[in-house]
Amino acid sequence: KQEVTQIPAALSVPEGENLVLNCSFTDSAIYNLQWFRQDPGKGLTSLLLIQSSQREQTSGRLNASLDKSSGRSTLYIAASQPGDSATYLCAAAFDSGTYKYIFGTGTRLKVLA
Amino acid sequence: SAVISQKPSRDICQRGTSLTIQCQVDSQVTMMFWYRQQPGQSLTLIATANQGSEATYESGFVIDKFPISRPNLTFSTLTVSNMSPEDSSIYLCSAGQGRNQPQHFGDGTRLSIL
Repeated sequence: KQEVTQIPAALSVPEGENLVLNCSFTDSAIYNLQWFRQDPGKGLTSLLLIQSSQREQTSGRLNASLDKSSGRSTLYIAASQPGDSATYLCAAAFDSGTYKYIFGTGTRLKVLA
Repeated sequence: SAVISQKPSRDICQRGTSLTIQCQVDSQVTMMFWYRQQPGQSLTLIATANQGSEATYESGFVIDKFPISRPNLTFSTLTVSNMSPEDSSIYLCSAGQGRNQPQHFGDGTRLSIL
């Protein structure tokens, strides 16, 4: 069964700290992986998309990596700010001939001012 | 990136009634999807909305309960039928241009069943 998990479930850090969010998946035949941000009462905002042929993607203070062999992806947030407080979700598309995403359980991040 | 609008944003409904949620994309997209997010949980895919044909449902979801339409490349509807309190969730629409492109989401519909 294809599953995606995220650890930790919740994280609280002081402003300015660099942090890493983890995403694990059970099937190495991954097609791509996308990181999202969800603010309370809102939908999902796409942050980064990594194709299976890529090892990392960067956007501003965000860097996402993908290691298919170990079944892991990480989202690195540099110099965290209170505005980064949100739930971060990873979602994986596997080589099943479809474009379906399986979502992780999410990490609730709180950055303290 | 595509901008996705969902209506209504929230609703409170009586048990046994049905509600149709609309999803409008500001550009033509290849793929549209409907997800459910139950309180405190992550997202679960309900179905893929196929343009001009019947939707493809995931295990545990059936057409009689969640009929879906997709008449064109920019619009889809999800109906939640014969609602019960267990259907209280956030329902989200997403759209994408294919497997090499990111999926984008609407703000969701918060549904409460009394």
